[in-house]
Amino acid sequence: DTEVTQTPKHLVMGMTNKKSLKCEQHMGHRAMYWYKQKAKKPPELMFVYSYEKLSINESVPSRFSPECPNSSLLNLHLHALQPEDSALYLCASSSGLAGALDTQYFGPGTRLTVL
Amino acid sequence: AQRVTQPEKLLSVFKGAPVELKCNYSYSGSPELFWYVQYSRQRLQLLLRHISRESIKGFTADLNKGETSFHLKKPFAQEEDSAMYYCALSPGDSWGKLQFGAGTQVVVTP
Repeated sequence: DTEVTQTPKHLVMGMTNKKSLKCEQHMGHRAMYWYKQKAKKPPELMFVYSYEKLSINESVPSRFSPECPNSSLLNLHLHALQPEDSALYLCASSSGLAGALDTQYFGPGTRLTVL
Repeated sequence: AQRVTQPEKLLSVFKGAPVELKCNYSYSGSPELFWYVQYSRQRLQLLLRHISRESIKGFTADLNKGETSFHLKKPFAQEEDSAMYYCALSPGDSWGKLQFGAGTQVVVTP
């Protein structure tokens, strides 16, 4: 399996809801990433996990809570989101072996709408 | 802080014509540069890395450290090249922090 998969494809939630986004890869990659992409904008890095440990948090609000249960899975827990959090959330993975040269492999994204 | 600039939001070219997408960067250290592409209804994927110095789908990109540029070129555009192209920078001393430019939408018309 050489793809990054994300579920669900679409998610609509209210501002008081709690939901989770899931990401999975079976390429043996040890680095995983969450990005946020607004319409007609480039992806913006949110979090990076390296060997299941959070290594980068780009000052993301605490209503977004990442979790890496194992080397294949990455979750993004959502709570008390705002309408401006509506966006495409992308997951990516990379080998974690090539440093800055690591190629990132992206999932198809989860389209989130916050009402 | 690093910065990636793609000055063209939209590039419209005729099939068979050359195409060049501009990318300029600012970074005090030694960066790694990439071009990512997103075709319609497909996921974002790597097109090429500067370190590879290879041609992918007929595209090449040369890193010019003096001009801090990493322009993407193809001598003869094809309709299937229509896509959104992102130039991206990874700081040499802080892996994982991939910074994307704003992107250039390429439309190739027959």
